[in-house]
Amino acid sequence: NAGVTQTPKFRVLKTGQSMTLLCAQDMNHEYMYWYRQDPGMGLRLIHYSVGEGTTAKGEVPDGYNVSRLKKQNFLLGLESAAPSQTSVYFCASSPYYEQYFGPGTRLTVT
Amino acid sequence: AQRVTQPEKLLSVFKGAPVELKCNYSYSGSPELFWYVQYSRQRLQLLLRHISRESIKGFTADLNKGETSFHLKKPFAQEEDSAMYYCALWGAQKLVFGQGTRLTINP
Repeated sequence: NAGVTQTPKFRVLKTGQSMTLLCAQDMNHEYMYWYRQDPGMGLRLIHYSVGEGTTAKGEVPDGYNVSRLKKQNFLLGLESAAPSQTSVYFCASSPYYEQYFGPGTRLTVT
Repeated sequence: AQRVTQPEKLLSVFKGAPVELKCNYSYSGSPELFWYVQYSRQRLQLLLRHISRESIKGFTADLNKGETSFHLKKPFAQEEDSAMYYCALWGAQKLVFGQGTRLTINP
């Protein structure tokens, strides 16, 4: 059981480049979430999904898109990266309210 | 709207001293509250939830609806308690987290 995995672990982008972060879970959880973690700001919800094929906006969705084509995967896309998107990104999945987190992706946008 | 406030960004105490991490919330419904912890170089994990009324690693938290608080307490801090602690509120199919408190236990 791998739990929640995230790919990649680290990435450096130049302003304007695009990328996709992959979150995968093998626990058959319905709910999946993407957060960003910034110093002094805590964890802020970007987008989430309550089931395969569904997505919803969180607290800070601007500049990001998501897709949940398969139950086990939740993709986070940055179409045109900006320095303000430099952050650590965490994915989580949950059967209900207890969330299981991935190890995080450290993204730097220069 | 759901809101969680952790007023202390940093908290430093000596080993063996009592610890209290503060958490206040705002929510119109019946709250379900949690504490998550992130140790150095590890992923976030659930520490405890108010409905189970458990004591995990010596930590307890009591929900006070009158004061809308869910403070985390431990009577005797240990060095391995140094970590980032997040209070979280469940509602509308998502968790809202506070800003986090970095707890440092000094030897």
